[in-house]
This record gives sequence, C-alpha cells and structure tokens, in this order.
Amino acid sequence: GESVGLHLPTLSVQEGDNSIINCAYSNSASDYFIWYKQESGKGPQFIIDIRSNMDKRQGQRVTVLLNKTVKHLSLQIAATQPGDSAVYFCAERSGGTSYGKLTFGQGTILTVHP
Amino acid sequence: GAGVSQSPSNKVTEKGKDVELRCDPISGHTALYWYRQSLGQGLEFLIYFQGNSAPDKSGLPSDRFSAERTGGSVSTLTIQRTQQEDSAVYLCASSSGVRGYFGAGTRLSVL
Repeated sequence: GESVGLHLPTLSVQEGDNSIINCAYSNSASDYFIWYKQESGKGPQFIIDIRSNMDKRQGQRVTVLLNKTVKHLSLQIAATQPGDSAVYFCAERSGGTSYGKLTFGQGTILTVHP
Repeated sequence: GAGVSQSPSNKVTEKGKDVELRCDPISGHTALYWYRQSLGQGLEFLIYFQGNSAPDKSGLPSDRFSAERTGGSVSTLTIQRTQQEDSAVYLCASSSGVRGYFGAGTRLSVL
C-alpha cells in the first residue's frame, strides 16, 4: 500500500553529533531505496541510494543501512551540521521494471542546534 | 535548464475554478511523477508516467484531478472545480532510471 506521512516525527541533535533517521517501508518486493532531503520551500534532493541486494552503503558523511528482514531502512549522518536541518524522506521503488513507481515513507524533521 | 522546472511557482485561485500546473522534466527523462505535499506532511503519490505505457493513475484523489504528458516531455496536472482541501504544494519529478529529480513545486492556495 501507499506510505503517506502524517504528523512527521522530529529529531533534535547538537551540532557535531551523529544522527540516525529511521524508516519502515511497506513493500517486501521493493528493490531499490533512496533517501531524500527536503529544505524549506524546496523540492526533495537526492542524498544516497541502496539496492535491495546490499545492506550498507556509504557516502560523504552519510551511511544507509537496509534490513530486509524487518523492512527497515536507516540514514546515519556523521558530525551533523546546522545545514543538515531539513525533512528527510525515504522512498522505495516497486514494480519490478527498470523504472517503477517511487513511494515515499513518512518523513522525519531533523533540527540541528549549534 | 538542467533541472525540473515547474510553473507557476505559486497559484492562488478561488474555490470552484479550474487550475493547470505545468512540469518541464529534465530532457531525455522518460519517467515523470506528480506528488502532493500538504503543509508539514509527507509526499502523496498522484500519478506516474513511464514512456509510452499507460500512466499509473492510482493516486489521483478524485475525478477532478487529471494529468497528461504530451510528446513524452511536458506534463500538465489539471484540477477542476478546486476545493479548499486541494491547497498544497504539487511536486513533479522526472527520472531516467530510478532516482527521481524534483522540481521546486507549485504552491496552490484555494480561497
């Protein structure tokens, strides 16, 4: 079914701390997952992605972990900065084709205090 | 331009009027998505176009909503007889594979 965010959860951290944002996805057949960052007044921006045949992928200051057993995805941000303050969404691709529909999970509001 | 372009950026309309929202995807992207985002909430899927395939319209909330994509490029989302609950930001994304690239959205306010 669709994952539509309501009453977004929040996470507040101090600058320099590590942040972990969690997402539960809905479709066990999804084969691709993406994390997006959305700043106020802007559209979502790509952060990092992971395929379902992987359980971890690292980028610059970010790491995505995938646990298919419990259908859970997490985004870890190292040394969080005030510029990281935004709403973070996970998205899953399903459909079994090269494209497929992107369905978004519930977002999380991250606030980084200086 | 290099990114997804949406117009207008803001639209204020009166209840009962029809509105058209436009999306110019990234050149060459065959997939195009429309989402709706209400204030402080997540992204609600509306419709998805992929190449010449029939669009996935499963997310359209009522028959007042429709969308088309001409020539596999520009897309228009039309809302007929707008209602106050239609007020939201309407986001468009395009993709050449899996990753979707989003526009800045159109903020629709229905008075």
